[in-house]
Amino acid sequence: AQSVTQLDSQVPVFEEAPVELRCNYSSSVSVYLFWYVQYPNQGLQLLLKYLSGSTLVESINGFEAEFNKSQTSFHLRKPSVHISDTAEYFCAVSHQAGTALIFGKGTTLSVSS
Amino acid sequence: GAGVSQSPRYKVAKRGQDVALRCDPISGHVSLFWYQQALGQGPEFLTYFQNEAQLDKSGLPSDRFFAERPEGSVSTLKIQRTQQEDSAVYLCASSLRGDTQYFGPGTRLTVL
Repeated sequence: AQSVTQLDSQVPVFEEAPVELRCNYSSSVSVYLFWYVQYPNQGLQLLLKYLSGSTLVESINGFEAEFNKSQTSFHLRKPSVHISDTAEYFCAVSHQAGTALIFGKGTTLSVSS
Repeated sequence: GAGVSQSPRYKVAKRGQDVALRCDPISGHVSLFWYQQALGQGPEFLTYFQNEAQLDKSGLPSDRFFAERPEGSVSTLKIQRTQQEDSAVYLCASSLRGDTQYFGPGTRLTVL
């Protein structure tokens, strides 16, 4: 069975510092990988995804994630965070289109000045 | 509309009451998913529709949970005889081709 592990439940950082949110998955088959962000009292918003092709994917607001098949990881990084990046971040995996997403437990990113 | 909408946004029910939660997917999206998100946890899959067909209901926690999508668009998740452990945020997501899911704001259900 597939599972997703987000290794850090909380990550506090200062504004303009770099950040990495870690995600590892277990699967014996090809996967689709996603990062979603959830702001307080809002639904999940897609941040970025890996379906195929280049293993490095980027979002429009400066986040990036790299699919590492050998390490079964899909860590999320940003070189310089803003206060507005404070939110809950969820890593998710599915093994084919049209199937359920399996989510990690989430990482709370808290950015302070 | 531009995104997935859900109603009501908040629902308080007394234990034993029946509730119905509505999801309006993005127009034209074939696939529709329901998830349950407990406090402090990631969402967990409940059920999946492709058009009006319910293809997977393996995540429904008990026979008190029932979902339908009769015309292949709007979906309703019904919970009968609610229990306190049903308190959670219920999320709906839709997808055009099944690869990327877009989520609604959720319905927060509180069972007293």
